[in-house]
Amino acid sequence: QSALTQPPSASGSPGQSVTISCTGTSSDVGGYNYVSWYQQHPGKAPKLIIYEVTKRPSGIPNRFSGSKSGNTASLTFSGLQAEDEADYYCSSYAGSNSFVFGGGTKLTVL
Amino acid sequence: EVQLVESGGGVVRPGGSLRLSCAASGFTFDDYGMSWVRQTPGKGLEWVSDIQWNGGITTYADSVKGRFTISRDNAKKSLYLQMDSLRAEDTALYHCARVDPYWYFDLWGRGTLVTVSS
Repeated sequence: QSALTQPPSASGSPGQSVTISCTGTSSDVGGYNYVSWYQQHPGKAPKLIIYEVTKRPSGIPNRFSGSKSGNTASLTFSGLQAEDEADYYCSSYAGSNSFVFGGGTKLTVL
Repeated sequence: EVQLVESGGGVVRPGGSLRLSCAASGFTFDDYGMSWVRQTPGKGLEWVSDIQWNGGITTYADSVKGRFTISRDNAKKSLYLQMDSLRAEDTALYHCARVDPYWYFDLWGRGTLVTVSS
């Protein structure tokens, strides 16, 4: 049950595109199409923004997109906005009703 | 309103016990599995435990296995986490989260803070 690997920080200017990676193993990210991403603003609960690798819940802007290749999943922001500044966490189903999270990435909008 | 509200956190000495509760409202509680996820400033989010909709299957992270017990009462729309033999490294904000059948957390509570300190 090792944590997924995310870069600790990422940044971009408004309107730019930014991608955050999330690397696991064949036992989690690579083994299932059950990768999800969560946004967390300071003092708030995490909020689901991507599920099943690429799907967006109702109300989540289409500038957020997800993808996966092998053992690495990615979250892409197409056209950063100031309100996107937050912490982002990936998560993957890891089999047998268990889960694993990434260490989180702090996104700064310059 | 659809929400989860945790309670029961506090300060406890190493080796002590604490029982967390999570009250669900606004949705059919027994349609969903539920999990506990904890959060620390240094380590981010860590999945702790999961329970099937009917309590039939429970799973735990290796870090808490044998010390924590998850349970639920569907009649009371409540989730619980019994934490025994607590250690300093269990200090965290504990969130309860609703688990979608396709293995993601679609509803979170704001958390209850557990501090293990002598």
